[in-house]
Amino acid sequence: QVQLVQSGAEVKKPGASVKVSCKTSGYIFTGYGISWVRQAPGQGLEWMGWISPYNDYTNSAQNFQGRVTMTSDTSTSTAYMELRSLKSDDTAVYYCARLGDSFCSDDICYLRGGWFDPWGQGTLVTVSS
Amino acid sequence: DIQMTQSPSSLSASVGDRVTLTCRASQSISSYLNWYQQKPGKAPKLLVSAASSLQGGVPSRFSGSGSGTDFTLTISSLQPEDFATYYCQQSYSTPLTFGPGTKVDIK
Repeated sequence: QVQLVQSGAEVKKPGASVKVSCKTSGYIFTGYGISWVRQAPGQGLEWMGWISPYNDYTNSAQNFQGRVTMTSDTSTSTAYMELRSLKSDDTAVYYCARLGDSFCSDDICYLRGGWFDPWGQGTLVTVSS
Repeated sequence: DIQMTQSPSSLSASVGDRVTLTCRASQSISSYLNWYQQKPGKAPKLLVSAASSLQGGVPSRFSGSGSGTDFTLTISSLQPEDFATYYCQQSYSTPLTFGPGTKVDIK
């Protein structure tokens, strides 16, 4: 079955960076995009961006542009999300999720099925001095 | 960006009740609307994609409908395991956005 398993909880100081991994199994890694979504304590869901492991095309939300880097390693079927210049309000559970159908043309990728299924178990990132 | 709203923000219901949750988009999103269920401490779970397509393994008491700007998720007979928070999400355009959620708890 399709599984996404994330790395463990992290505690970081303000200004530091964090890199979360998402190891996938049960499907062809390059066939689906991976998205990152975060959830602050007691709050709703916030989309951060997505990556196509097919060609490493990325699209990130404006709120995170310049601070987030999404990458993938096809040899291990693992996606990564690095967030830099951490602030206290970056404290959240970070989820990876497989996206529905996408396609790529001329190095640009498009979502045809922008739903998230399944999700990783989540990684708690705590930013505190 | 497309803004998503949900109503009510919370509701109390009893086992066996019929429950209808509403989601509205700030502009037309055709049928690019997905619903998730999240229980405390767990990752969200996809229930319905493309407004009305029930995911495999999801009980048939769940159903989704709507198009354009107005959507509903209906639970025909609420079960104890259905008490959770429900989120809608638009996939019409990036940035992908979620509604603020509807929390369903026990009356």
